[in-house]
Amino acid sequence: DIVMTQTPLSSPVTLGQPASISCRSSQSLVHSDGNTYLSWLQQRPGQPPRLLIYKISNRFSGVPDRFSGSGAGTDFTLKISRVEAEDVGVYYCMQATQLMYTFGQGTKLEIK
Amino acid sequence: QVTLRESGPALVKPTQTLTLTCTFSGFSLSTSGMCVSWIRQPPGKALEWLALIDWDDDKYYSTSLKTRLTISKDTSKNQVVLTMTNMDPVDTATYYCARIAVAGFDAFDIWGQGTMVTVSS
Repeated sequence: DIVMTQTPLSSPVTLGQPASISCRSSQSLVHSDGNTYLSWLQQRPGQPPRLLIYKISNRFSGVPDRFSGSGAGTDFTLKISRVEAEDVGVYYCMQATQLMYTFGQGTKLEIK
Repeated sequence: QVTLRESGPALVKPTQTLTLTCTFSGFSLSTSGMCVSWIRQPPGKALEWLALIDWDDDKYYSTSLKTRLTISKDTSKNQVVLTMTNMDPVDTATYYCARIAVAGFDAFDIWGQGTMVTVSS
């Protein structure tokens, strides 16, 4: 199984400042079809997860453009250009390249 | 509008079998590429993928739980059912169903609200 490792596990951020979360996979997420099935999800307190980014860098419908994803192979990053209060929650990376799917441990974003 | 909703017992006893139902609307599981998965989340912990069923009735399971899980679908009712045998207190979690479209987003784009299951005698 592919292990997904996120850093940091907790990220206190000042409102209006940027935030960055890293995700590393134990093996390459490049699928045999050439795509990389790495996504990012946001889970606000008391809510189900919500898709933010799919295939490394594609924003899902309705996701603000302050969220961006990048990376390749085994190293990926989620960036928030200017953190807003509504961004508080836990962020997960997830790989769908190999069944069984796996998630990172989650990174808790909180406001300083 | 695509929606998914989980239903099932809130409390099960150890060793019992859990049966959860995901009822969805806004898409068909007979459409090529469509899949539904079950994911769980113990209180305060991370997400854990459990199982997936696809449009062609192929089924995939978590390596660590495959001996206990069975996933099935009823396309006419727009439902996906997950059974988990021999429940234990460590299986206490919120159980989610979510849609994933292969050759589409290839990510869980729509999630249900989740159903909390407590395992206790």
